[in-house]
Amino acid sequence: DAGVTQSPTHLIKTRGQHVTLRCSPISGHKSVSWYQQVLGQGPQFIFQYYEKEERGRGNFPDRFSARQFPNYSSELNVNALLLGDSALYLCASSQTSFENIQYFGAGTRLSVL
Amino acid sequence: AQSVTQLGSHVSVSEGALVLLRCNYSSSVPPYLFWYVQYPNQGLQLLLKYTTGATLVKGINGFEAEFKKSETSFHLTKPSAHMSDAAEYFCAVTPSYNQGGKLIFGQGTELSVKP
Repeated sequence: DAGVTQSPTHLIKTRGQHVTLRCSPISGHKSVSWYQQVLGQGPQFIFQYYEKEERGRGNFPDRFSARQFPNYSSELNVNALLLGDSALYLCASSQTSFENIQYFGAGTRLSVL
Repeated sequence: AQSVTQLGSHVSVSEGALVLLRCNYSSSVPPYLFWYVQYPNQGLQLLLKYTTGATLVKGINGFEAEFKKSETSFHLTKPSAHMSDAAEYFCAVTPSYNQGGKLIFGQGTELSVKP
């Protein structure tokens, strides 16, 4: 069975641009969470979506948004990119919104120049 | 608010030596505690988790962790280090029982294993 897949693997953008990151959860998983991992730090929670509804939001500005589709895949959008948005963006899926075991994808590495 | 502190950003051990990675959580007892491992250019892989019951939890690859409420700790150990254990290790907690999709991570500990 396929694990959590994220695309693209790497991305280079310039300041002020917009970016969309994509995530496909494990088959049968209905919850998707997004994390930002800045180099040298632990991942920080951005969003959780379950059944297409936002179930949690971390301390990130409104430039960050996400959505979940009927097939449970998800997109993370970041507008007006800043240099500080450069990071590894991780997606994790779980069967339910309260399921405590999350399975992580390999991430999308975003570089903002 | 819940937070996680990992003591030591870098730990170096010799192959065959004991591995001890430290993790402390703050405030109230979190419902769930985890250790994840991250190999270079990869996502996070679950090593083990604590929910309820026995405070000594066994995980994959010979790792185990002990939940000590009195010390607010959840340290990770392995009796004998292997070269393949070299990676970044993260301790994490969930803030409440109904927030399973939100993990709060420590800053990570990079483990190096010398031959």
